[in-house]
Amino acid sequence: EVQLLESGGGLVQPGGSLRLSCAASGFTFSNYAMSWVRQAPGKGLEWVSTIIGTGDGTYYPDSVKGRFTISRDNSKNTVYLHMNSLGADDTAVYYCAQAPGGYYAYWGQGSLVTVSS
Amino acid sequence: DIQMTQSPSTLSALVGDRVTITCRASQSISSWLAWYQQKPGKAPKLLIYKASSLQSGVPSRFSGSGSGTEFTLTISSLQPDDFATYYCQQYNSYSNTFGQGTKVEIK
Repeated sequence: EVQLLESGGGLVQPGGSLRLSCAASGFTFSNYAMSWVRQAPGKGLEWVSTIIGTGDGTYYPDSVKGRFTISRDNSKNTVYLHMNSLGADDTAVYYCAQAPGGYYAYWGQGSLVTVSS
Repeated sequence: DIQMTQSPSTLSALVGDRVTITCRASQSISSWLAWYQQKPGKAPKLLIYKASSLQSGVPSRFSGSGSGTEFTLTISSLQPDDFATYYCQQYNSYSNTFGQGTKVEIK
């Protein structure tokens, strides 16, 4: 059974940093691209980043490029999202997702990030 | 970026109704389209990928069709468990985008 478990969310001040983690199990982790998708309160879904299985390729939308960094440790079956220069617009539930072909086959339960002073 | 527009934004229906949701892309995305179901407080769940391929374990009352710029999600006979918000997603490139969502409510 595929399981994705996010951690690391919480309250952070504007301009601050945070690192999210997502521990994966139930599949051969290194064979799959992984992504982060976020959802602001009461809003729709927004893709945040993707990393390919080897970790050699990473992709971001303009809204987070230069501020967020996705990485993975295939020995630990874990993907990370390092977030810097956080603003109120970054407040959201952050989901990690397995991305076998660009779509999101499995999702974690989500981790809430709140940016507020 | 490719923009995805869903219609309607809200849909009221009865159990047993046939329901259709439309998703339009601002440019051709071939068949690189997925549909998700999301219930309040829960993560989205994949229903359909590559426009018409049913994800394993998803009931056969869900179906998807379309290619290019126009796509539909159809629920053949709405069940109580189907009241939720539905999102389309294009993945023509790594820069993927979602529609704004369609909330299916009880009439």
